[in-house]
Amino acid sequence: DVKVTQSSRYLVKRTGEKVFLECVQDMDHENMFWYRQDPGLGLRLIYFSYDVKMKEKGDIPEGYSVSREKKERFSLILESASTNQTSMYLCASSFGTGSNQPQHFGDGTRLSIL
Amino acid sequence: GQNIDQPTEMTATEGAIVQINCTYQTSGFNGLFWYQQHAGEAPTFLSYNVLDGLEEKGRFSSFLSRSKGYSYLLLKELQMKDSASYLCAVRDRGGNYQLIWGAGTKLIIKP
Repeated sequence: DVKVTQSSRYLVKRTGEKVFLECVQDMDHENMFWYRQDPGLGLRLIYFSYDVKMKEKGDIPEGYSVSREKKERFSLILESASTNQTSMYLCASSFGTGSNQPQHFGDGTRLSIL
Repeated sequence: GQNIDQPTEMTATEGAIVQINCTYQTSGFNGLFWYQQHAGEAPTFLSYNVLDGLEEKGRFSSFLSRSKGYSYLLLKELQMKDSASYLCAVRDRGGNYQLIWGAGTKLIIKP
């Protein structure tokens, strides 16, 4: 079974802090994704990566950055946390370039910025 | 623009059948996914459609009409554990990159 592990289930940080969210997958997937999920909205893509050291902006990259130094690990960084970044953050990974390959998700990190 | 519409919430009775609809307007089409998400948990993959027609997987089936920009997820013999949100997502271009997501349909199963 595919395992996508996010480092924290719940996290509370203060405005202005630099926040790191970590994600590790164990299936040697090429592609990794960071989403945020808010009530009433669909999953919104923040950043994705299709290879080590490669990254692409998603729909809402402002205020975020990412790092992919190793194939299995994809980190999301909130450069200076703000209250409007309070959300559920979901990491996902998928295999290769086939259009039928599903994304596999971690359990999510519920982040609160005070 | 790109848009995916699903009903916000539906209620059904244990043992019954329910159909969750999804309509999409996207610049291209390279497949449609359905995911299930229980409260507080990760979305899990249910089905994938790229050609018109019905795909059946046990109690769950998914239908696609590309000409109508329409899909549905059919759940039969409903069980209490089927209470969850169901997410529709479209891949609008080739390659295994971005998906466009609907806001999800919360399904409530009553005894």
